[in-house]
Amino acid sequence: AQKVTQAQTEISVVEKEDVTLDCVYETRDTTYYLFWYKQPPSGELVFLIRRNSFDEQNEISGRYSWNFQKSTSSFNFTITASQVVDSAVYFCALSEDSNYQLIWGAGTKLIIKP
Amino acid sequence: ETGVTQTPRHLVMGMTNKKSLKCEQHLGHNAMYWYKQSAKKPLELMFVYSLEERVENNSVPSRFSPECPNSSHLFLHLHTLQPEDSALYLCASSQEERGGRYGYTFGSGTRLTVV
Repeated sequence: AQKVTQAQTEISVVEKEDVTLDCVYETRDTTYYLFWYKQPPSGELVFLIRRNSFDEQNEISGRYSWNFQKSTSSFNFTITASQVVDSAVYFCALSEDSNYQLIWGAGTKLIIKP
Repeated sequence: ETGVTQTPRHLVMGMTNKKSLKCEQHLGHNAMYWYKQSAKKPLELMFVYSLEERVENNSVPSRFSPECPNSSHLFLHLHTLQPEDSALYLCASSQEERGGRYGYTFGSGTRLTVV
Protein backbone atom coordinates (compact mmCIF):
# COMPACT_ATOMS: atom_id res chain seq x y z
CA ALA A 1 0.00 0.00 0.00
CA GLN A 2 1.13 3.54 -0.63
CA LYS A 3 2.21 5.65 2.31
CA VAL A 4 4.14 8.82 3.06
CA THR A 5 5.93 9.30 6.38
CA GLN A 6 7.17 12.60 7.69
CA ALA A 7 8.62 11.55 10.99
CA GLN A 8 9.47 15.06 12.17
CA THR A 9 6.33 16.59 13.62
CA GLU A 10 7.98 19.91 14.45
CA ILE A 11 11.41 21.41 13.92
CA SER A 12 12.65 24.62 15.44
CA VAL A 13 15.89 26.31 14.34
CA VAL A 14 17.45 29.70 14.58
CA GLU A 15 17.50 31.89 11.50
CA LYS A 16 20.38 31.24 9.07
CA GLU A 17 20.73 27.63 10.09
CA ASP A 18 20.30 24.91 7.50
CA VAL A 19 17.44 22.50 8.04
CA THR A 20 16.39 19.24 6.39
CA LEU A 21 12.87 17.91 6.34
CA ASP A 22 12.59 14.17 5.86
CA CYS A 23 10.11 12.31 3.69
CA VAL A 24 9.98 8.54 3.27
CA TYR A 25 7.47 6.92 0.95
CA GLU A 26 6.14 3.48 0.13
CA THR A 27 4.76 2.38 -3.20
CA ARG A 28 4.58 -0.71 -5.39
CA ASP A 29 4.33 1.24 -8.61
CA THR A 30 7.35 1.82 -10.78
CA THR A 31 5.91 5.08 -12.03
CA TYR A 32 5.06 7.59 -9.35
CA TYR A 33 5.35 11.26 -8.52
CA LEU A 34 6.56 13.05 -5.43
CA PHE A 35 5.66 16.54 -4.31
CA TRP A 36 6.46 19.07 -1.64
CA TYR A 37 3.98 21.74 -0.62
CA LYS A 38 4.34 24.63 1.80
CA GLN A 39 1.46 25.80 3.98
CA PRO A 40 2.12 29.18 5.61
CA PRO A 41 -0.16 30.45 8.39
CA SER A 42 -2.47 31.96 5.77
CA GLY A 43 -3.60 28.43 4.94
CA GLU A 44 -2.97 28.07 1.23
CA LEU A 45 -0.97 25.05 0.15
CA VAL A 46 1.77 26.28 -2.15
CA PHE A 47 3.35 23.91 -4.64
CA LEU A 48 7.15 23.72 -4.35
CA ILE A 49 8.33 20.83 -6.48
CA ARG A 50 7.27 17.76 -8.42
CA ARG A 51 9.56 14.87 -9.20
CA ASN A 52 8.78 11.71 -11.18
CA SER A 53 10.21 8.34 -10.32
CA PHE A 54 12.49 8.24 -13.34
CA ASP A 55 14.29 11.43 -12.50
CA GLU A 56 16.64 11.00 -9.58
CA GLN A 57 18.58 14.17 -10.16
CA ASN A 58 18.73 16.41 -7.15
CA GLU A 59 17.26 19.82 -7.61
CA ILE A 60 18.26 23.20 -6.30
CA SER A 61 16.11 26.30 -6.38
CA GLY A 62 17.68 29.21 -4.57
CA ARG A 63 17.95 28.26 -0.91
CA TYR A 64 15.82 25.14 -1.44
CA SER A 65 17.17 21.76 -2.49
CA TRP A 66 15.71 18.31 -2.78
CA ASN A 67 17.45 14.96 -2.49
CA PHE A 68 15.58 12.08 -4.15
CA GLN A 69 16.97 8.63 -3.40
CA LYS A 70 15.04 5.64 -4.69
CA SER A 71 17.35 3.24 -2.86
CA THR A 72 16.05 4.52 0.47
CA SER A 73 12.62 5.64 -0.79
CA SER A 74 13.30 9.14 0.44
CA PHE A 75 12.68 12.60 -0.92
CA ASN A 76 14.21 15.02 1.57
CA PHE A 77 13.98 18.78 1.46
CA THR A 78 16.72 21.10 2.67
CA ILE A 79 16.49 24.82 3.31
CA THR A 80 19.85 26.56 3.41
CA ALA A 81 20.33 29.72 5.46
CA SER A 82 16.77 29.59 6.76
CA GLN A 83 14.72 32.73 7.16
CA VAL A 84 11.75 33.59 9.36
CA VAL A 85 9.52 33.61 6.26
CA ASP A 86 10.26 29.92 5.82
CA SER A 87 8.18 29.20 8.92
CA ALA A 88 5.29 27.02 7.75
CA VAL A 89 4.01 23.48 7.66
CA TYR A 90 5.61 21.47 4.88
CA PHE A 91 3.89 18.49 3.31
CA CYS A 92 5.35 15.71 1.25
CA ALA A 93 2.97 13.81 -1.05
CA LEU A 94 3.00 10.83 -3.38
CA SER A 95 0.85 9.82 -6.32
CA GLU A 96 1.02 6.67 -8.37
CA ASP A 97 0.29 6.40 -12.06
CA SER A 98 -2.38 3.83 -11.25
CA ASN A 99 -4.25 6.14 -8.88
CA TYR A 100 -4.99 9.83 -9.27
CA GLN A 101 -5.23 10.51 -5.58
CA LEU A 102 -2.40 12.24 -3.78
CA ILE A 103 -1.24 10.48 -0.60
CA TRP A 104 -0.16 13.04 1.94
CA GLY A 105 2.33 12.93 4.75
CA ALA A 106 1.27 14.32 8.11
CA GLY A 107 3.35 17.44 7.60
CA THR A 108 6.31 18.95 9.43
CA LYS A 109 5.87 22.24 11.21
CA LEU A 110 8.99 24.34 10.74
CA ILE A 111 9.64 27.23 13.10
CA ILE A 112 12.42 29.64 12.27
CA LYS A 113 13.35 31.86 15.20
CA PRO A 114 14.89 35.28 14.60
CA GLU B 1 -7.43 36.84 -10.71
CA THR B 2 -5.19 34.30 -9.01
CA GLY B 3 -5.42 30.59 -9.80
CA VAL B 4 -7.95 29.23 -7.30
CA THR B 5 -10.17 31.55 -5.30
CA GLN B 6 -12.19 30.48 -2.29
CA THR B 7 -14.87 32.45 -0.49
CA PRO B 8 -15.49 33.19 2.25
CA ARG B 9 -12.11 33.06 4.00
CA HIS B 10 -13.76 32.66 7.39
CA LEU B 11 -17.19 31.37 8.33
CA VAL B 12 -18.88 30.92 11.68
CA MET B 13 -22.17 29.09 11.60
CA GLY B 14 -24.62 27.58 14.01
CA MET B 15 -25.52 23.91 13.85
CA THR B 16 -28.91 24.65 12.34
CA ASN B 17 -27.67 27.03 9.65
CA LYS B 18 -27.26 26.40 5.94
CA LYS B 19 -24.28 27.93 4.19
CA SER B 20 -22.21 27.37 1.09
CA LEU B 21 -18.51 27.53 0.34
CA LYS B 22 -17.49 28.67 -3.10
CA CYS B 23 -14.44 27.83 -5.17
CA GLU B 24 -13.49 29.23 -8.55
CA GLN B 25 -10.51 28.35 -10.70
CA HIS B 26 -9.12 30.40 -13.56
CA LEU B 27 -6.58 27.90 -14.81
CA GLY B 28 -8.59 25.95 -17.36
CA HIS B 29 -8.28 22.81 -15.26
CA ASN B 30 -10.67 19.92 -15.68
CA ALA B 31 -10.75 18.49 -12.17
CA MET B 32 -11.62 20.05 -8.84
CA TYR B 33 -11.40 18.77 -5.29
CA TRP B 34 -12.59 19.48 -1.77
CA TYR B 35 -10.22 18.69 1.09
CA LYS B 36 -10.79 18.95 4.82
CA GLN B 37 -7.93 19.83 7.14
CA SER B 38 -8.61 19.42 10.85
CA ALA B 39 -6.16 20.24 13.58
CA LYS B 40 -3.58 17.50 14.08
CA LYS B 41 -5.13 15.27 11.41
CA PRO B 42 -3.95 14.43 7.90
CA LEU B 43 -5.47 16.13 4.90
CA GLU B 44 -8.71 14.36 4.03
CA LEU B 45 -9.96 14.18 0.46
CA MET B 46 -13.71 14.69 0.48
CA PHE B 47 -14.89 14.96 -3.13
CA VAL B 48 -13.44 14.82 -6.61
CA TYR B 49 -15.06 16.26 -9.71
CA SER B 50 -13.76 15.58 -13.19
CA LEU B 51 -15.33 17.43 -16.11
CA GLU B 52 -18.20 18.40 -13.79
CA GLU B 53 -18.96 14.82 -12.85
CA ARG B 54 -18.42 13.58 -9.32
CA VAL B 55 -15.95 10.73 -9.47
CA GLU B 56 -15.24 10.25 -5.81
CA ASN B 57 -17.02 10.69 -2.52
CA ASN B 58 -14.91 9.51 0.38
CA SER B 59 -17.62 8.48 2.83
CA VAL B 60 -18.47 12.05 3.58
CA PRO B 61 -21.61 12.63 5.70
CA SER B 62 -24.64 13.84 3.77
CA ARG B 63 -24.61 17.13 5.66
CA PHE B 64 -21.90 18.06 3.14
CA SER B 65 -23.27 18.38 -0.38
CA PRO B 66 -21.00 19.32 -3.29
CA GLU B 67 -22.06 20.94 -6.52
CA CYS B 68 -20.06 21.53 -9.68
CA PRO B 69 -22.13 23.53 -12.19
CA ASN B 70 -19.22 23.90 -14.62
CA SER B 71 -15.52 23.15 -14.78
CA SER B 72 -14.59 26.50 -13.22
CA HIS B 73 -16.85 26.48 -10.18
CA LEU B 74 -17.24 24.20 -7.21
CA PHE B 75 -19.50 24.61 -4.21
CA LEU B 76 -19.79 22.85 -0.89
CA HIS B 77 -23.24 23.21 0.64
CA LEU B 78 -23.36 22.81 4.39
CA HIS B 79 -26.36 22.08 6.60
CA THR B 80 -26.89 20.92 10.17
CA LEU B 81 -23.18 20.66 10.84
CA GLN B 82 -21.59 19.45 14.03
CA PRO B 83 -18.85 21.17 16.06
CA GLU B 84 -16.38 18.48 14.92
CA ASP B 85 -16.86 19.74 11.37
CA SER B 86 -14.92 22.85 12.30
CA ALA B 87 -11.83 22.80 10.08
CA LEU B 88 -10.05 24.42 7.17
CA TYR B 89 -11.76 23.46 3.90
CA LEU B 90 -9.47 23.60 0.92
CA CYS B 91 -10.41 23.59 -2.72
CA ALA B 92 -7.94 22.45 -5.36
CA SER B 93 -7.85 21.96 -9.10
CA SER B 94 -5.71 19.98 -11.51
CA GLN B 95 -5.24 19.67 -15.24
CA GLU B 96 -6.89 16.29 -15.38
CA GLU B 97 -8.61 13.77 -13.18
CA ARG B 98 -5.31 12.03 -12.65
CA GLY B 99 -4.22 15.20 -10.98
CA GLY B 100 -1.50 13.51 -9.06
CA ARG B 101 0.79 13.49 -12.05
CA TYR B 102 1.07 17.25 -12.15
CA GLY B 103 0.02 18.24 -8.70
CA TYR B 104 -2.78 20.43 -7.55
CA THR B 105 -3.27 24.16 -7.27
CA PHE B 106 -4.93 25.05 -4.00
CA GLY B 107 -7.05 27.93 -2.87
CA SER B 108 -6.45 29.76 0.40
CA GLY B 109 -9.15 27.79 2.16
CA THR B 110 -12.22 28.61 4.22
CA ARG B 111 -11.77 28.45 7.98
CA LEU B 112 -15.08 27.08 9.24
CA THR B 113 -16.16 27.23 12.85
CA VAL B 114 -19.38 25.50 13.89
CA VAL B 115 -20.87 26.77 17.14
